[in-house]
Amino acid sequence: DGGITQSPKYLFRKEGQNVTLSCEQNLNHDAMYWYRQDPGQGLRLIYYSQIVNDFQKGDIAEGYSVSREKKESFPLTVTSAQKNPTAFYLCASSIPGGNGGDTQYFGPGTRLTVL
Amino acid sequence: RKEVEQDPGPFNVPEGATVAFNCTYSNSASQSFFWYRQDCRKEPKLLMSVYSSGNEDGRFTAQLNRASQYISLLIRDSKLSDSATYLCVVNLNNNAGNMLTFGGGTRLMVKP
Repeated sequence: DGGITQSPKYLFRKEGQNVTLSCEQNLNHDAMYWYRQDPGQGLRLIYYSQIVNDFQKGDIAEGYSVSREKKESFPLTVTSAQKNPTAFYLCASSIPGGNGGDTQYFGPGTRLTVL
Repeated sequence: RKEVEQDPGPFNVPEGATVAFNCTYSNSASQSFFWYRQDCRKEPKLLMSVYSSGNEDGRFTAQLNRASQYISLLIRDSKLSDSATYLCVVNLNNNAGNMLTFGGGTRLMVKP
């Protein structure tokens, strides 16, 4: 089946540890994105990549890092520098759409809790 | 002022009711618009795109008013399964790429 997968679904981390969240897609999409969602709030963009080996900071990139070595994969590392890492992390990818916009499709998310 | 604003709700409605959500956006250069649905603790899923001429998909109707910078979603004959959070999403689609800005969502609860 085609789609976007994220793993793990739930992740617990001790303070001071780095952790990497996985995002894989087999939709042949060029662009991929990482968002963070806090309870009762909208999604905020962390990083995005429009093409392999290139990525850009979003609105809240501090304390995070990414890589895009393959088209299918866009892992996100939450570093110990991120002050409030507990959140729901969503990965998305996009295809060109009509009406001037690109539609984004989301993976199932990873819920990270820092203990 | 937030870039995309929505009433967080919750909107509590009985089954069969018609309910409408509005969303306002601040950037007049925004080019495309969407409604996403998000169930509790799940990922957002595209409900429908919003076109300038308005569009309808079954019980759902979306409209865009560029002059007033707002988007609406109308749900007719509400079902229990419509209970979810509805996210208004705006795409600036400028030279920086396909940048979506999300509203905080409006929570809908349909009761029997």
